[in-house]
Amino acid sequence: EDKVVQSPLSLVVHEGDTVTLNCSYEVTNFRSLLWYKQEKKAPTFLFMLTSSGIEKKSGRLSSILDKKELFSILNITATQTGDSAVYLCAVGGTTSGTYKYIFGTGTRLKVLA
Amino acid sequence: DGGITQSPKYLFRKEGQNVTLSCEQNLNHDAMYWYRQDPGQGLRLIYYSQIVNDFQKGDIAEGYSVSREKKESFPLTVTSAQKNPTAFYLCATSDSLNYGYTFGSGTRLTVV
Repeated sequence: EDKVVQSPLSLVVHEGDTVTLNCSYEVTNFRSLLWYKQEKKAPTFLFMLTSSGIEKKSGRLSSILDKKELFSILNITATQTGDSAVYLCAVGGTTSGTYKYIFGTGTRLKVLA
Repeated sequence: DGGITQSPKYLFRKEGQNVTLSCEQNLNHDAMYWYRQDPGQGLRLIYYSQIVNDFQKGDIAEGYSVSREKKESFPLTVTSAQKNPTAFYLCATSDSLNYGYTFGSGTRLTVV
């Protein structure tokens, strides 16, 4: 059965800390992995990863994928209170010609001032 | 402005009533999806459609129904058979698997 597991489930840090969020997966015919940030409403897109070892960066956020070990990490450096959110990982794969994304349960990050 | 419109934003219904959530897109995306999110949990797939007049059950389809009569629209009906319908419902579209999802703003359904 396909699955996506995120860890930790929740995390509390202080402003300025660096955090690393993990996403491991077992998905048939992997196509891509997505990271989203969710703050009380619809998720907002952060990164899409399809190739191993290539880091994607956006400001203080970065992410990398390891297709051999089947995981991805999302790093946030110099955290700010505005980074407080749930971070979702979704992995897309194909089974019998159909495709869909499976989501992990998310990591709830709280950044204290 | 291209995007996905979900309506209404908030919906209250009495137990035993069917209710339909709207999802409309003008992105010209082929695939559309409905997810359910409960507090403290990730998104669970209800139904998805990759082409007009065709749709597939996701992981938690029981108590829900959908239609896909035109490319732009993918309404979700929450029927009285759904035991715990109170949740946040998200509609998403995708042009192809390699381009990820675009999400609507969601509908929060409360059944009293």
